[in-house]
Amino acid sequence: GAGVSQSPSNKVTEKGKDVELRCDPISGHTALYWYRQSLGQGLEFLIYFQGNSAPDKSGLPSDRFSAERTGGSVSTLTIQRTQQEDSAVYLCASSLEAHTGELFFGEGSRLTVL
Amino acid sequence: GQNIDQPTEMTATEGAIVQINCTYQTSGFNGLFWYQQHAGEAPTFLSYNVLDGLEEKGRFSSFLSRSKGYSYLLLKELQMKDSASYLCAVRGNGGFKTIFGAGTRLFVKA
Repeated sequence: GAGVSQSPSNKVTEKGKDVELRCDPISGHTALYWYRQSLGQGLEFLIYFQGNSAPDKSGLPSDRFSAERTGGSVSTLTIQRTQQEDSAVYLCASSLEAHTGELFFGEGSRLTVL
Repeated sequence: GQNIDQPTEMTATEGAIVQINCTYQTSGFNGLFWYQQHAGEAPTFLSYNVLDGLEEKGRFSSFLSRSKGYSYLLLKELQMKDSASYLCAVRGNGGFKTIFGAGTRLFVKA
């Protein structure tokens, strides 16, 4: 696609429910990143993929968070048993390769946990 | 550990010049980025430095000193639309992940 596409753009859920966030990177980009941004804060690194592999999962806040990427393209970030502190904007970015090129960001998925 | 520091807020006047500093300590180094983020929007790429020195791009310039773990973003001829957060980010060379500082909110006043 022309840019990084994320869905849903907005998600309101009840505490304890599971959510899935989707990211479709720029075509041909092999690296894909997930970040979390709370209101007024910087970007918190969650995980990145090079192809379908995740060399660094160190930023995932707990075992309720998981991510996968298939076919070297679309990625899903899953949050199980959501908590109120999970409320944030989840940003996805892609780059040509992990070791080169700038990151191009999607518009983000705003998650609100009630 | 990994750490990126930048000032929380800055205020400058329309037409003036402002310099936003960034210092970093990271596991390896494979490039430093500056991004602009308007409220409620996604970050957009401004500049990239991997070698020491100054990179100039129109009204925006970015400087890097790897030995000092230091960078700055220089914005000239400030315009009201430059009011935004400016994020400093560093890519490591072990795992190649890119980590971001907390951002500097710039307010441009008339």
